[in-house]
Amino acid sequence: KAGVTQTPRYLIKTRGQQVTLSCSPISGHRSVSWYQQTPGQGLQFLFEYFSETQRNKGNFPGRFSGRQFSNSRSEMNVSTLELGDSALYLCASSLPQGARSPLHFGNGTRLTVT
Amino acid sequence: GIQVEQSPPDLILQEGANSTLRCNFSDSVNNLQWFHQNPWGQLINLFYIPSGTKQNGRLSATTVATERYSLLYISSSQTTDSGVYFCAGQETSGSRLTFGEGTQLTVNP
Repeated sequence: KAGVTQTPRYLIKTRGQQVTLSCSPISGHRSVSWYQQTPGQGLQFLFEYFSETQRNKGNFPGRFSGRQFSNSRSEMNVSTLELGDSALYLCASSLPQGARSPLHFGNGTRLTVT
Repeated sequence: GIQVEQSPPDLILQEGANSTLRCNFSDSVNNLQWFHQNPWGQLINLFYIPSGTKQNGRLSATTVATERYSLLYISSSQTTDSGVYFCAGQETSGSRLTFGEGTQLTVNP
């Protein structure tokens, strides 16, 4: 069974631009969540989607948004990029909430904002 | 909010040594999980261990939920074990994970 797939692996953007990251979950997993990892803040939760609905949101500004499609694939978007948005963005998938299943992460997208 | 604390923050071992990593967590944490992040950033789920003991090869984990701690044991360490080990817990509702700050493990040949 294929793992969680994130694209692209690396991305370089300029301040003020916007970016879209993609995540395909493990087949059969319907919950997708996103995390940001930076040296200073560690791993922080961005948001979680299940059945195309955002179920939970972390403490990030509105410039960070996401969505989930009917096939459970998810995208996250960051608008008006700032230097501080440079980070490793990790997507994780799991069975539906309540199934008490482990989270499995993709390889991440490393975003650099210049 | 929930709290997850790991110790030690850094650990340096010689190949073949054993080690124990600790994770303390607050009352509202459930579904404790251990992850290994390799130098390339890949985060691998090692154990999903809300309570009890599990073993996978040279790795084993024990969670004592009533005392709010979990331990990860690494035996006969290898250089490929190097990386950062995270524990993370979920709140009672939802699947949001709160991560500890990690233990940076370096295994020297």
